[in-house]
Amino acid sequence: QKEVEQNSGPLSVPEGAIASLNCTYSDRGSQSFFWYRQYSGKSPELIMSIYSNGDKEDGRFTAQLNKASQYVSLLIRDSQPSDSATYLCAVNKDNYGQNFVFGPGTRLSVLP
Amino acid sequence: DTAVSQTPKYLVTQMGNDKSIKCEQNLGHDTMYWYKQDSKKFLKIMFSYNNKELIINETVPNRFSPKSPDKAHLNLHINSLELGDSAVYFCASSQRGPETQYFGPGTRLLVL
Repeated sequence: QKEVEQNSGPLSVPEGAIASLNCTYSDRGSQSFFWYRQYSGKSPELIMSIYSNGDKEDGRFTAQLNKASQYVSLLIRDSQPSDSATYLCAVNKDNYGQNFVFGPGTRLSVLP
Repeated sequence: DTAVSQTPKYLVTQMGNDKSIKCEQNLGHDTMYWYKQDSKKFLKIMFSYNNKELIINETVPNRFSPKSPDKAHLNLHINSLELGDSAVYFCASSQRGPETQYFGPGTRLLVL
């Protein structure tokens, strides 16, 4: 089993719809979780971080964490064409924040 | 001011050559990383340094040698380059603890 898994996509949604991105992880002791966005040819940039169970909202983005199910998701409301990118789920495996494991990424395409 | 910078941005070289990539961060972070992103866009950690000390050394050929002259710099030297080393190499930094990583712009290495 891979450490962090995501559907590779592409996930296509119409403009204005909700995009739902999912991620599962294998290390039950993982403490912190991150969603990064990567445009083609660019470096990853942080969208959201989440540390405790439940929802965390920031503008159009909501991260959801369920440690019991080892599942983290990202919802993007009112999707825009500019949201088209690859979304990387990252999990921190240790308590010192120094061992990040990234998932393979989900490519999102928002259709105008 | 650029937070995490890398040089060079592009590197085209022949098999068997030795090359270096430099990374600098001006964020005052304690921890720096090297990642490799292959053609399938999978981002994999190679090394992690905390206060100039090696913390993580994933399964990476010993042709790759990181060097951290001070907390703000982490360089990557690659000996005897192989075709399979072609990838984008990202430097990143974070504060100690489960904090966000900030990525450099990447170095696109092509080995011919």
